[in-house]
Amino acid sequence: DTEVTQTPKHLVMGMTNKKSLKCEQHMGHRAMYWYKQKAKKPPELMFVYSYEKLSINESVPSRFSPECPNSSLLNLHLHALQPEDSALYLCASSPGTGYLNEKLFFGSGTQLSVL
Amino acid sequence: EDKVVQSPLSLVVHEGDTVTLNCSYEVTNFRSLLWYKQEKKAPTFLFMLTSSGIEKKSGRLSSILDKKELFSILNITATQTGDSAVYLCAVAPLDRQGAQKLVFGQGTRLTINP
Repeated sequence: DTEVTQTPKHLVMGMTNKKSLKCEQHMGHRAMYWYKQKAKKPPELMFVYSYEKLSINESVPSRFSPECPNSSLLNLHLHALQPEDSALYLCASSPGTGYLNEKLFFGSGTQLSVL
Repeated sequence: EDKVVQSPLSLVVHEGDTVTLNCSYEVTNFRSLLWYKQEKKAPTFLFMLTSSGIEKKSGRLSSILDKKELFSILNITATQTGDSAVYLCAVAPLDRQGAQKLVFGQGTRLTINP
Protein backbone atom coordinates (compact mmCIF):
# COMPACT_ATOMS: atom_id res chain seq x y z
CA ASP A 1 0.00 0.00 0.00
CA THR A 2 1.74 3.17 -1.20
CA GLU A 3 -1.21 5.46 -0.67
CA VAL A 4 -1.74 8.56 1.37
CA THR A 5 -5.45 9.06 1.91
CA GLN A 6 -6.95 12.45 2.61
CA THR A 7 -10.49 13.33 3.62
CA PRO A 8 -12.57 15.17 2.76
CA LYS A 9 -11.74 15.80 -0.90
CA HIS A 10 -13.66 19.07 -0.93
CA LEU A 11 -14.63 21.38 1.94
CA VAL A 12 -16.54 24.64 2.01
CA MET A 13 -16.58 26.50 5.30
CA GLY A 14 -17.54 29.85 6.70
CA MET A 15 -15.12 32.08 8.55
CA THR A 16 -16.62 31.14 11.93
CA ASN A 17 -16.64 27.38 11.39
CA LYS A 18 -14.36 24.78 12.90
CA LYS A 19 -13.40 21.86 10.69
CA SER A 20 -10.66 19.25 10.43
CA LEU A 21 -8.72 17.72 7.57
CA LYS A 22 -7.57 14.14 7.95
CA CYS A 23 -4.68 12.21 6.47
CA GLU A 24 -3.73 8.55 6.81
CA GLN A 25 -0.90 6.35 5.57
CA HIS A 26 -0.01 2.71 6.17
CA MET A 27 3.48 2.61 4.71
CA GLY A 28 5.16 2.72 8.13
CA HIS A 29 6.42 6.22 7.41
CA ARG A 30 7.47 8.25 10.43
CA ALA A 31 7.47 11.75 8.88
CA MET A 32 4.21 13.44 7.84
CA TYR A 33 3.74 16.81 6.22
CA TRP A 34 1.08 19.44 5.53
CA TYR A 35 1.47 21.59 2.45
CA LYS A 36 -0.70 24.41 1.15
CA GLN A 37 -0.95 24.96 -2.62
CA LYS A 38 -2.58 27.95 -4.27
CA ALA A 39 -3.61 27.77 -7.93
CA LYS A 40 -0.67 27.73 -10.33
CA LYS A 41 1.86 27.87 -7.50
CA PRO A 42 4.13 25.16 -6.05
CA PRO A 43 3.29 23.50 -2.72
CA GLU A 44 4.31 25.52 0.37
CA LEU A 45 5.36 23.64 3.48
CA MET A 46 3.27 24.31 6.58
CA PHE A 47 4.11 21.67 9.19
CA VAL A 48 6.18 18.52 9.56
CA TYR A 49 5.81 15.81 12.18
CA SER A 50 8.73 13.49 12.70
CA TYR A 51 8.17 10.44 14.92
CA GLU A 52 4.89 11.99 16.09
CA LYS A 53 6.56 15.20 17.25
CA LEU A 54 6.15 18.55 15.55
CA SER A 55 9.57 19.30 14.07
CA ILE A 56 8.85 22.10 11.59
CA ASN A 57 6.28 24.90 11.79
CA GLU A 58 6.75 27.36 8.97
CA SER A 59 5.33 30.31 10.96
CA VAL A 60 1.79 29.24 10.15
CA PRO A 61 -1.03 31.32 11.73
CA SER A 62 -2.57 29.78 14.83
CA ARG A 63 -5.93 29.35 13.09
CA PHE A 64 -4.27 26.22 11.64
CA SER A 65 -3.56 23.61 14.31
CA PRO A 66 -1.87 20.32 13.40
CA GLU A 67 -2.17 17.10 15.35
CA CYS A 68 -0.47 13.72 14.98
CA PRO A 69 -2.42 11.18 17.11
CA ASN A 70 -0.19 8.28 16.00
CA SER A 71 2.37 7.41 13.35
CA SER A 72 -0.31 6.71 10.70
CA LEU A 73 -2.59 9.69 11.19
CA LEU A 74 -2.26 13.42 10.72
CA ASN A 75 -4.95 16.02 11.25
CA LEU A 76 -5.18 19.70 10.50
CA HIS A 77 -7.71 21.58 12.62
CA LEU A 78 -9.11 24.75 11.09
CA HIS A 79 -10.76 27.60 12.99
CA ALA A 80 -11.70 31.16 12.04
CA LEU A 81 -10.13 30.93 8.60
CA GLN A 82 -9.97 33.78 6.13
CA PRO A 83 -10.98 33.70 2.44
CA GLU A 84 -7.29 33.90 1.49
CA ASP A 85 -6.81 30.49 3.16
CA SER A 86 -8.75 28.91 0.30
CA ALA A 87 -6.34 26.49 -1.37
CA LEU A 88 -5.52 22.84 -1.97
CA TYR A 89 -4.16 21.29 1.24
CA LEU A 90 -1.83 18.38 0.57
CA CYS A 91 -0.66 15.79 3.05
CA ALA A 92 2.53 13.84 2.43
CA SER A 93 4.62 11.21 4.17
CA SER A 94 8.18 9.94 3.97
CA PRO A 95 10.16 7.20 5.74
CA GLY A 96 11.51 9.58 8.40
CA THR A 97 15.13 8.63 8.16
CA GLY A 98 17.77 7.17 5.90
CA TYR A 99 18.01 6.78 2.17
CA LEU A 100 14.87 7.85 0.26
CA ASN A 101 13.67 9.92 3.20
CA GLU A 102 13.18 12.83 0.84
CA LYS A 103 10.91 10.80 -1.44
CA LEU A 104 7.60 12.20 -0.34
CA PHE A 105 4.35 10.42 -1.09
CA PHE A 106 1.49 12.87 -1.53
CA GLY A 107 -2.22 12.47 -0.98
CA SER A 108 -4.79 13.83 -3.44
CA GLY A 109 -5.48 16.82 -1.26
CA THR A 110 -8.46 18.64 0.20
CA GLN A 111 -9.73 21.54 -1.90
CA LEU A 112 -10.79 24.10 0.70
CA SER A 113 -13.00 27.10 0.03
CA VAL A 114 -13.53 29.68 2.79
CA LEU A 115 -16.55 31.91 2.30
CA GLU B 1 18.25 31.44 0.73
CA ASP B 2 17.73 28.09 -1.05
CA LYS B 3 16.19 28.52 -4.49
CA VAL B 4 14.93 26.33 -7.36
CA VAL B 5 14.11 27.83 -10.77
CA GLN B 6 12.35 25.93 -13.53
CA SER B 7 12.08 26.81 -17.18
CA PRO B 8 10.09 27.21 -19.24
CA LEU B 9 7.10 28.00 -17.01
CA SER B 10 4.73 26.89 -19.73
CA LEU B 11 5.15 24.77 -22.84
CA VAL B 12 2.70 23.68 -25.54
CA VAL B 13 3.73 21.02 -28.05
CA HIS B 14 2.14 18.50 -30.39
CA GLU B 15 1.78 14.83 -29.63
CA GLY B 16 4.90 12.96 -30.65
CA ASP B 17 7.28 15.84 -29.98
CA THR B 18 10.22 15.57 -27.58
CA VAL B 19 10.42 18.07 -24.73
CA THR B 20 13.16 19.11 -22.32
CA LEU B 21 12.30 20.71 -19.00
CA ASN B 22 14.96 22.55 -17.03
CA CYS B 23 15.62 22.96 -13.33
CA SER B 24 18.45 24.99 -11.79
CA TYR B 25 19.09 25.30 -8.09
CA GLU B 26 21.04 27.06 -5.37
CA VAL B 27 21.05 25.09 -2.14
CA THR B 28 23.46 25.43 0.76
CA ASN B 29 23.82 21.69 1.45
CA PHE B 30 22.54 19.57 -1.41
CA ARG B 31 21.29 16.05 -0.79
CA SER B 32 19.12 15.17 -3.81
CA LEU B 33 16.88 16.53 -6.56
CA LEU B 34 13.41 15.16 -7.24
CA TRP B 35 10.96 15.43 -10.11
CA TYR B 36 7.20 15.14 -9.57
CA LYS B 37 4.28 15.14 -12.01
CA GLN B 38 1.09 16.87 -10.88
CA GLU B 39 -1.93 16.26 -13.11
CA LYS B 40 -4.86 17.33 -11.00
CA LYS B 41 -4.19 17.04 -7.32
CA ALA B 42 -1.54 14.64 -5.97
CA PRO B 43 2.05 15.17 -7.12
CA THR B 44 3.37 11.76 -8.14
CA PHE B 45 7.03 10.87 -7.87
CA LEU B 46 9.06 10.47 -11.07
CA PHE B 47 12.77 10.50 -10.24
CA MET B 48 15.24 11.14 -7.48
CA LEU B 49 18.80 12.08 -8.48
CA THR B 50 21.76 12.27 -6.18
CA SER B 51 24.82 11.70 -8.39
CA SER B 52 26.06 13.72 -11.32
CA GLY B 53 25.98 12.29 -14.79
CA ILE B 54 23.88 9.22 -14.09
CA GLU B 55 20.74 9.16 -16.19
CA LYS B 56 17.56 7.83 -14.68
CA LYS B 57 15.04 6.37 -17.13
CA SER B 58 11.46 5.25 -16.94
CA GLY B 59 9.86 4.48 -20.28
CA ARG B 60 9.78 7.67 -22.33
CA LEU B 61 10.95 9.82 -19.43
CA SER B 62 14.56 10.36 -18.44
CA SER B 63 16.42 12.76 -16.21
CA ILE B 64 20.00 13.70 -15.46
CA LEU B 65 21.73 15.84 -12.86
CA ASP B 66 24.78 18.08 -13.18
CA LYS B 67 26.03 18.90 -9.67
CA LYS B 68 28.86 21.06 -10.95
CA GLU B 69 26.59 23.36 -12.95
CA LEU B 70 23.70 22.96 -10.45
CA PHE B 71 20.94 21.90 -12.83
CA SER B 72 18.84 18.98 -13.95
CA ILE B 73 16.82 18.25 -17.07
CA LEU B 74 13.75 16.09 -17.56
CA ASN B 75 13.27 14.70 -21.07
CA ILE B 76 10.06 13.27 -22.42
CA THR B 77 10.21 11.62 -25.84
CA ALA B 78 7.27 10.76 -28.12
CA THR B 79 4.92 12.83 -25.96
CA GLN B 80 1.32 11.77 -25.46
CA THR B 81 -1.73 13.76 -24.32
CA GLY B 82 -1.49 11.93 -21.00
CA ASP B 83 1.83 13.68 -20.36
CA SER B 84 -0.02 16.99 -19.99
CA ALA B 85 0.61 18.08 -16.40
CA VAL B 86 2.63 20.40 -14.22
CA TYR B 87 6.14 19.07 -13.65
CA LEU B 88 7.65 20.08 -10.34
CA CYS B 89 11.34 20.04 -9.52
CA ALA B 90 12.34 19.98 -5.85
CA VAL B 91 15.65 19.94 -4.05
CA ALA B 92 16.23 18.24 -0.70
CA PRO B 93 18.82 19.81 1.57
CA LEU B 94 20.77 17.54 3.93
CA ASP B 95 18.54 15.65 6.33
CA ARG B 96 17.54 17.53 9.43
CA GLN B 97 16.16 15.58 12.35
CA GLY B 98 14.25 13.12 10.22
CA ALA B 99 12.05 15.68 8.45
CA GLN B 100 12.65 16.85 4.93
CA LYS B 101 12.13 20.44 3.87
CA LEU B 102 11.91 20.19 0.08
CA VAL B 103 12.44 23.41 -1.87
CA PHE B 104 10.10 23.43 -4.87
CA GLY B 105 10.45 25.26 -8.16
CA GLN B 106 7.47 27.07 -9.68
CA GLY B 107 6.69 24.16 -11.97
CA THR B 108 6.49 23.80 -15.76
CA ARG B 109 2.97 23.51 -17.16
CA LEU B 110 3.21 21.13 -20.13
CA THR B 111 0.32 20.85 -22.59
CA ILE B 112 0.36 18.18 -25.29
CA ASN B 113 -2.05 18.86 -28.16
CA PRO B 114 -3.29 15.93 -30.27
